[in-house]
Amino acid sequence: SQTIHQWPATLVQPVGSPLSLECTVEGTSNPNLYWYRQAAGRGLQLLFYSVGIGQISSEVPQNLSASRPQDRQFILSSKKLLLSDSGFYLCAWSVREGQGANEQFFGPGTRLTVL
Amino acid sequence: DAKTTQPNSMESNEEEPVHLPCNHSTISGTDYIHWYRQLPSQGPEYVIHGLTSNVNNRMASLAIAEDRKSSTLILHRATLRDAAVYYCILSSPTGANSKLTFGKGITLSVRP
Repeated sequence: SQTIHQWPATLVQPVGSPLSLECTVEGTSNPNLYWYRQAAGRGLQLLFYSVGIGQISSEVPQNLSASRPQDRQFILSSKKLLLSDSGFYLCAWSVREGQGANEQFFGPGTRLTVL
Repeated sequence: DAKTTQPNSMESNEEEPVHLPCNHSTISGTDYIHWYRQLPSQGPEYVIHGLTSNVNNRMASLAIAEDRKSSTLILHRATLRDAAVYYCILSSPTGANSKLTFGKGITLSVRP
C-alpha cells in the first residue's frame, strides 16, 4: 500500500531563518506531487506541483521554492522565512498515468510557526 | 478555474442523513466534481468524485444535477466522526495533471 510521510510535524522558526520541509511517498512510482499551504482559518492554497524529477511548477509567486531530487521525494524550502509563511503545509500525491480525475492523497502535514 | 459556492456551515443530528449542496454554474464539460473533507489538524481526505452520473461509494453518495450546475454530497447516516470541513472542487485534468483548487468549504457539525 502507498504511504506519504512529512516531517517535521511541527516547527517553530524565527523570521529570516531558512526552511526545509520534506515529503516522501512509498509504494508507488512516478507520482504527481503537490505542496499546499493552509493559513489559519483559511482554505488550502496550491503552492507547487511536480510531474517528474526536476520538474516543478509554481502556482503563486512567493518566498518559497520546491525541488524534487528523487522520484518520490519533494522538498519545500525558503532562504529567509517571513511571518506570513506561517501555516499548515501539506504534501500530496496522485497517480500520474491515466485520464480523468485522479484522487489526491495527503500527508499528515507540518505546522510551521514563524516568530 | 471554474468556481464552486457552498454554504458556510451546516448542522446535522447523529444517525440522520446529511445533504451538502454545492453550486458550480460555470462548470465546463471536462470538469470533474470532487469532494474532499478535512478533519481538524489533519490533511484533506478524498470522499468521492463524479462527472455526469450519480456516484456511490462506501463513504457517501454524489448526486449531480442533470445540467451539472449543482451537486449534492449525501452522507446517509451522519456520525460524530463526520464532523469536518467538506470541500466541493472542480478539476479539469489536462494530460497527467489534476490540480485541485480548494475554497473555504462547508463546516459540518454533528449533534449527538
